[in-house]
Amino acid sequence: ETGVTQTPRHLVMGMTNKKSLKCEQHLGHNAMYWYKQSAKKPLELMFVYNFKEQTENNSVPSRFSPECPNSSHLFLHLHTLQPEDSALYLCASSQYQGDQPQHFGDGTRLSIL
Amino acid sequence: AQKVTQAQTEISVVEKEDVTLDCVYETRDTTYYLFWYKQPPSGELVFLIRRNSFDEQNEISGRYSWNFQKSTSSFNFTITASQVVDSAVYFCALSDYIQGGSEKLVFGKGTKLTVNP
Repeated sequence: ETGVTQTPRHLVMGMTNKKSLKCEQHLGHNAMYWYKQSAKKPLELMFVYNFKEQTENNSVPSRFSPECPNSSHLFLHLHTLQPEDSALYLCASSQYQGDQPQHFGDGTRLSIL
Repeated sequence: AQKVTQAQTEISVVEKEDVTLDCVYETRDTTYYLFWYKQPPSGELVFLIRRNSFDEQNEISGRYSWNFQKSTSSFNFTITASQVVDSAVYFCALSDYIQGGSEKLVFGKGTKLTVNP
């Protein structure tokens, strides 16, 4: 079992749909992250949660809405997305001490029609 | 602002060759961490190494070695006797602390390594 699990692995949705991405970590970490990986672009941090509190929102459009009900689960709610939002969305977790490495999930490949 | 540059977009080698992936970073922080991650075709980012800015000793782990040089702001990664399984995209990253104590990683664009049999 991998330490960070993301579901679904692949998602195709229309621009008017509402869907959610899920991330679960089994490593006992207390910080969780959402990253976006687009073609030919560096990985971009979207959100950071530390002990369930959001500590970073990297100027992400409101059509992306994160939720962190507890330290083990992180969601990304999607609504009215645009074609340029098609990307690989990666979840990561780490221990609450800035020097600890982040552990990543396999990602959700999102395609917007 | 923090910045990581991986100038090599793609590298192709033949199995058993040695290959070095370059990473140059920019930061105003005196304390920072550098990382290398591997991303195989499956998509997951696999952590390879973390290096503290105060520790300039080179590190070797099996066929992997890292050369950290603060004077040139570089953190290069060498794979010795490359194998087909090393084929992946490799990312260099720099830590950037944010409020609350957690860490934000600034990534380079990645270097795609293809090792041919």
